[in-house]
Amino acid sequence: AQSVSQHNHHVILSEAASLELGCNYSYGGTVNLFWYVQYPGQHLQLLLKYFSGDPLVKGIKGFEAEFIKSKFSFNLRKPSVQWSDTAEYFCAVTPRTGANNLFFGTGTRLTVIP
Amino acid sequence: EPEVTQTPSHQVTQMGQEVILRCVPISNHLYFYWYRQILGQKVEFLVSFYNNEISEKSEIFDDQFSVERPDGSNFTLKIRSTKLEDSAMYFCASSEAGLALRELFFGEGSRLTVL
Repeated sequence: AQSVSQHNHHVILSEAASLELGCNYSYGGTVNLFWYVQYPGQHLQLLLKYFSGDPLVKGIKGFEAEFIKSKFSFNLRKPSVQWSDTAEYFCAVTPRTGANNLFFGTGTRLTVIP
Repeated sequence: EPEVTQTPSHQVTQMGQEVILRCVPISNHLYFYWYRQILGQKVEFLVSFYNNEISEKSEIFDDQFSVERPDGSNFTLKIRSTKLEDSAMYFCASSEAGLALRELFFGEGSRLTVL
């Protein structure tokens, strides 16, 4: 069965620190990969996605993620976080064929201290 | 920018009552979904809907749940007889095409509290 693991449950950083959130998935076939963000009291918003092509994907608000197929990973990065990045971050996967739904990780809460 | 809208934003109900959560997907989207997030837990898939029928559902989506697209714009989730463990945030989502091609757009969620 498909699964998505986010190893960091809560990350606390100071402003300007660099961020890397881990995401690993378990699925034998080809997948589409996503990072969603949920700001406090708001809905899930798409940060970035990978379908194919360049494995280094750039998203909104300075975020990027790198798909490493051999490691089944899709880690999210940002070189310098801001207080406004405080939110919950969810990695999600969908098989390229077959299931038409997203499998979410448990989420990582990011707290950025001013 | 087009968005998915959900009503109500918060509903409190007694155990055993029926609840209907409403969603208006983005107008040109063809695929519709319901997800839920129990407080402190991950977002879980409930059901997907395409061409006026359920295309996929999870183990969570048992006989107490149903979905309907009663007209050209609304997409509803009904819980027939709510249980305490149904308390969660319920997210509606839509996509232009299947997830092999497109991403999901989520609504702001409907928080359901079952007492």
